Order: sequence, then structure tokens, then C-alpha cells
Amino acid sequence: NAGVTQTPKFQVLKTGQSMTLQCAQDMNHNSMYWYRQDPGMGLRLIYYSASEGTTDKGEVPNGYNVSRLNKREFSLRLESAAPSQTSVYFCASSEAGQNSPLHFGNGTRLTVT
Amino acid sequence: RKEVEQDPGPFNVPEGATVAFNCTYSNSASQSFFWYRQDCRKEPKLLMSVYSSGNEDGRFTAQLNRASQYISLLIRDSKLSDSATYLCVVPATDSWGKLQFGAGTQVVVTP
Repeated sequence: NAGVTQTPKFQVLKTGQSMTLQCAQDMNHNSMYWYRQDPGMGLRLIYYSASEGTTDKGEVPNGYNVSRLNKREFSLRLESAAPSQTSVYFCASSEAGQNSPLHFGNGTRLTVT
Repeated sequence: RKEVEQDPGPFNVPEGATVAFNCTYSNSASQSFFWYRQDCRKEPKLLMSVYSSGNEDGRFTAQLNRASQYISLLIRDSKLSDSATYLCVVPATDSWGKLQFGAGTQVVVTP
């Protein structure tokens, strides 16, 4: 029972490089989310997808794009990485929106030099 | 006022003791609340959902005070393995589908 799977687990980028973080869930959840977590701060929502075919900005969307490829997959793209994007990124899914608990992936630790 | 506020701690607790801490929230319309546990550098994991006045699961009790807009988490008979950061989560005020996370309360259980 995989739950939420994120890849890669670790990544180092140079400023200006691009990359895509992949996320897939096998729980048939409708909603999916991307968060970032920085030291001393709570998780901050980057983008979310309430259901297949829709995406919306969260609290800190600048510098990121997302794609809800299908019900299972929700990817996060950094087009031109900046040192301020050094963070731990978590993908999560929930059955249906804000009254359902979130299930998280293991996280991606990204460093931008 | 922040959507969700927590005392960052740390709460240093002797093994076997009881510890309790609060989370205040600003959205008076919130119907559901969650406590998550996060171990160092790992993903948050759901500890407890709170949909009415409270919930109890073994040594963990969550209580909701709607009048004062806070939820509390109480841990009885603390174990060393309870050492973690506890995150309070509340639906956001401005949009459907978002959950607002508190910054977390750190608990350290000592032998």
C-alpha cells in the first residue's frame, strides 16, 4: 500500500536550472496539494488541485507551476530555480477537500546553490 | 491575527507525565480540525481528527473550545517515542480546499 509517492527524495540544483517534482497517490483521492516547509515555519501551501482538471494557487505560488496529469498524479515544476526555493517539499492528498485529513509523501529535500 | 497559532515550545516532559498545549484559530466557521505529528525531517502524519467537541485515542485527547476558538492536545503517560513536533491544522478562511498549518509545538520527553 504505497499511499503518496514523491520523487526524487533529494535534489541539488544550480540557480536558473529547472526541474519537476513528481507525486502520485494510489488512494483514489480527489484533492492533491504541494507544500513547502522551511525551518521555523509551518507548512505553506504552494498549489492545490481540488479535483482532476483543476488547479489553484496557494499561499506561495510564485516561481512554481503545477500539472494535475490525471487523478493519481500532480507534479510541481520549478522553471528557473532560485536559492529562496531551497526547502523541503511535501506532496499530499485528501479524499475531498478541507474536511478530510491529508496523507503526505515522504518529501523532497531541494537545495538550490 | 494568524489563521492558526501554536506555542512553539519546547515542552520538556518527564517520561510518564502529562503534557497539554493549545492551538488558537481565527476561522470561527471551521467545522473540522486535525492534529498531526511530525518527526524530525519526516512527513507529517495524522494523529487525530476533531469534528465535534473533542476526541480521544488512547493516551491522546483533543478538546475543542469553540467559544474561545482553540483546540488542545493532551498526552497522558508520556513515552520517549512521543517526542516530536505536533502540528495543528484548520481549514483556511479564504478558500475551499485549503488547510492552514500551525508552525508546530515541539515536545521533548526525557527519561
